[in-house]
Amino acid sequence: EAGVAQSPRYKIIEKRQSVAFWCNPISGHATLYWYQQILGQGPKLLIQFQNNGVVDDSQLPKDRFSAERLKGVDSTLKIQPAKLEDSAVYLCASSAWGGMGGYEQYFGPGTRLTVT
Amino acid sequence: AQSVTQLDSHVSVSEGTPVLLRCNYSSSYSPSLFWYVQHPNKGLQLLLKYTSAATLVKGINGFEAEFKKSETSFHLTKPSAHMSDAAEYFCVVSDRGGGFKTIFGAGTRLFVKA
Repeated sequence: EAGVAQSPRYKIIEKRQSVAFWCNPISGHATLYWYQQILGQGPKLLIQFQNNGVVDDSQLPKDRFSAERLKGVDSTLKIQPAKLEDSAVYLCASSAWGGMGGYEQYFGPGTRLTVT
Repeated sequence: AQSVTQLDSHVSVSEGTPVLLRCNYSSSYSPSLFWYVQHPNKGLQLLLKYTSAATLVKGINGFEAEFKKSETSFHLTKPSAHMSDAAEYFCVVSDRGGGFKTIFGAGTRLFVKA
């Protein structure tokens, strides 16, 4: 089975520029997650989708970050404008169903963002 | 609200000796608990999970973890370390509070000496 796909793998931008990341989850997985992993820290959940609805976006900086999951399949995460502190690896994950909490998440390779 | 604490940021062991990575959690509900591993420049991979079945959970690559409710712990162990075990390990908690929000620990870096 194909894994979670993410692109691009690397991105370097200047502060105040915008950037977008794309994620394609494992086929049939209803739940999709975006995480931010700053160097030396554990992943922090930014947003969780169940199909195309948002379950949790409490830690998403909504003044600059946005995410959508049209048609309940692939998803994009956008940052506009970027700040230096946004430099991190952005991870996408999917799971069969988040409703019971016991379903494992499958992670993509991540996008490493550097903001200069 | 749930939380997870990994008690050691770094653990160093010699090859062939036991591994112990410690994790304590807090949860108002019956939690699901996971251990993930992240090798350098690789994606996160599930090692094992606890979801209210057997309290001793066996995972891949010889790892296992024991859920101890009285101690709110979920420590990861392996009898004999291999060089290939050197990686970052994350303890993760998820419960139905807040819609099954997933919380990652800060991670434990495991070093394996030859």
